Amino acid sequence: EVQLLESGGGLVQPGGSLRLSCAASGFTFASYAMSWVRQAPGKGLEWVSTIDDSGGSTYYADFVKGRFTISRDNSKNTLYLQMNSLRAEDTAVFYCAKQSTTVTTAFDIWGQGTMVIVSS
Amino acid sequence: SSVLTQPPSASVAPGKTARITCGGNNIVISSVHWYQQKPGQAPVLVICYDNDRPSGIPERFSGSNSENTATLTISRVEAGDEADYYCQVWDSSSDHWVFGGGTKLTVL
Repeated sequence: EVQLLESGGGLVQPGGSLRLSCAASGFTFASYAMSWVRQAPGKGLEWVSTIDDSGGSTYYADFVKGRFTISRDNSKNTLYLQMNSLRAEDTAVFYCAKQSTTVTTAFDIWGQGTMVIVSS
Repeated sequence: SSVLTQPPSASVAPGKTARITCGGNNIVISSVHWYQQKPGQAPVLVICYDNDRPSGIPERFSGSNSENTATLTISRVEAGDEADYYCQVWDSSSDHWVFGGGTKLTVL
């Protein structure tokens, strides 16, 4: 069964850092692009970042502005999102998603999400 | 960069047809994907590449894309179709993914 399991969310103070992880199973992780999408409480989906299958190409939403870094370890079947300089407006559920193939393809499998709360 | 506009809400009676639109400049030249999200759950891909249905998605779900508007059509609507629906495109001019604001579908 194809599965994505996020972890690493929690409560962090403004200006703090968190690293989210997404453990993949049931498919050849190294063959697919992956993405992070967030959803603030009561709001819509917002794309955060995408990485290609090799990790050689990365893409970020404008609001990231150098604060977040997406990466992957294909030997561990794991996707990461390092988040620094967190702000209250970053409070959201963060989902990781597998893409059909390359970075421009649909998000065909989603994890259940991990909650990030930025508050003092 | 692209902006995708969806109506905030739509309602339909059981057994009828629901149509949810997604408008954007030059959207016709993009492949549009649609996601369904039920309360407390992760999104699920229901239509990809304008009108392809992933495995397991009922034939009642279909899509179209023409003249700056993409449309998700749900035929013979069931109570279980009540959810938020989001359209999505890849904006090749900025190398960004863009989501529409979402449409809350209510089954009367």
